[in-house]
Amino acid sequence: QSVLTQPPSASGTPGQRVTISCSGSSSNIGSNTVNWYQQLPGTAPKLLIYTNNERPSGVPDRFSGSKSGTSASLAISGLQSEDEADYYCAAWDDSLNGWVFGGGTKLTVL
Amino acid sequence: EVHLLESGGGLVQPGGSLRLSCAASGFTFSSSAMNWVRQAPGKGLEWVSTISGSGGSTYYADSVKGRFTISRDNSRNTLYLHMNRLRAEDTAVYYCAKAIAAAGWEWFDPWGQGTLVTVSS
Repeated sequence: QSVLTQPPSASGTPGQRVTISCSGSSSNIGSNTVNWYQQLPGTAPKLLIYTNNERPSGVPDRFSGSKSGTSASLAISGLQSEDEADYYCAAWDDSLNGWVFGGGTKLTVL
Repeated sequence: EVHLLESGGGLVQPGGSLRLSCAASGFTFSSSAMNWVRQAPGKGLEWVSTISGSGGSTYYADSVKGRFTISRDNSRNTLYLHMNRLRAEDTAVYYCAKAIAAAGWEWFDPWGQGTLVTVSS
């Protein structure tokens, strides 16, 4: 049972917009920023979004993040087949004094 | 270019020990906090441990506290994870990840390619 809650799966067709939610609590998302990681099949995780809504260089602007209260969301617009991957949210937890991850969302491009 | 390369994984019996290493290059190693994150087969990511740049501060997940020790050798640009009293549930790919900090917030970038630890008799 992960501290941050994500839907286990999401899907969309090419060109669509999909969102992935991440729900936490006051000790993690409610008081700290959220980062998102993308894990393509068979590879190591890669930073996708940091401090709620910032994109590292090289990440397409089709990817965007937002945070409100104790929840965060990752949006992917103009869905492409190469976006098929697992997506994880993460935040520092002040009560646990450590990082917590969501359980991951497997995105399927139909 | 920042590069992280883990090594030391393998098959170990329950109750045994193992030491993982993460060789870093391309950045000032002693200035960056470092992390270990693991992923059990077919499962999600689980943070394991964090160490500050100087090595003076360490943090552990409850699941490994008292059994695992994170350390670093800044003269060798190498991060370690000493794992004792290993259990079957410690079986996972272990990733090292560099922490980036700005304006009081942190994130992990990049990640190494991972090393597989299998705990089984």
